[in-house]
Amino acid sequence: DQQVKQNSPSLSVQEGRISILNCDYTNSMFDYFLWYKKYPAEGPTFLISISSIKDKNEDGRFTVFLNKSAKHLSLHIVPSQPGDSAVYFCAASATGANNLFFGTGTRLTVIP
Amino acid sequence: KAGVTQTPRYLIKTRGQQVTLSCSPISGHRSVSWYQQTPGQGLQFLFEYFSETQRNKGNFPGRFSGRQFSNSRSEMNVSTLELGDSALYLCASSPYRGSYNEQFFGPGTRLTVL
Repeated sequence: DQQVKQNSPSLSVQEGRISILNCDYTNSMFDYFLWYKKYPAEGPTFLISISSIKDKNEDGRFTVFLNKSAKHLSLHIVPSQPGDSAVYFCAASATGANNLFFGTGTRLTVIP
Repeated sequence: KAGVTQTPRYLIKTRGQQVTLSCSPISGHRSVSWYQQTPGQGLQFLFEYFSETQRNKGNFPGRFSGRQFSNSRSEMNVSTLELGDSALYLCASSPYRGSYNEQFFGPGTRLTVL
């Protein structure tokens, strides 16, 4: 049972525009959410996170929004750059547990 | 600080064999988790070790096992390999256990079972 879902396997965006990646979860016990970026032949790289007590967290060009009532989060990248082209994974964890539940990833392509 | 390192990076084994993968966490990190990534299932949690004890285990058969040493380095072992065990095995470390805790991943070991 996939508790974290990324329904868009791929997304293409023009350089300089906004990229919006979406993620949904089903487990109401999740209280910490993370986004990772992955290049081929490399491990996932941590990007940004948000705890359930917040609804927004920003770090440079990356902003994560959390809508707890909808069990939905999104990652906004502004402006998008060609180097952002990678697979993005959404992940979630629950208090007291150190394991992450991952979505299946969204492949972002930023077109120069 | 050096990142998480995993050895070997690539492995080819045949069905029925066993394999041991190694992970060295970031210096000072005490928690090590293992994940399996396959095209069909994405990243799935195998187990987590902290202070040389398995603290959490995912839904994998007993053929998958692991251990952690006093220096926090960890190994995972897969016995009686099956074709479906072909995957990228990722190790992740974090400084402690608990909530609001990023995990930092190594490059992975690509295991191919023939």
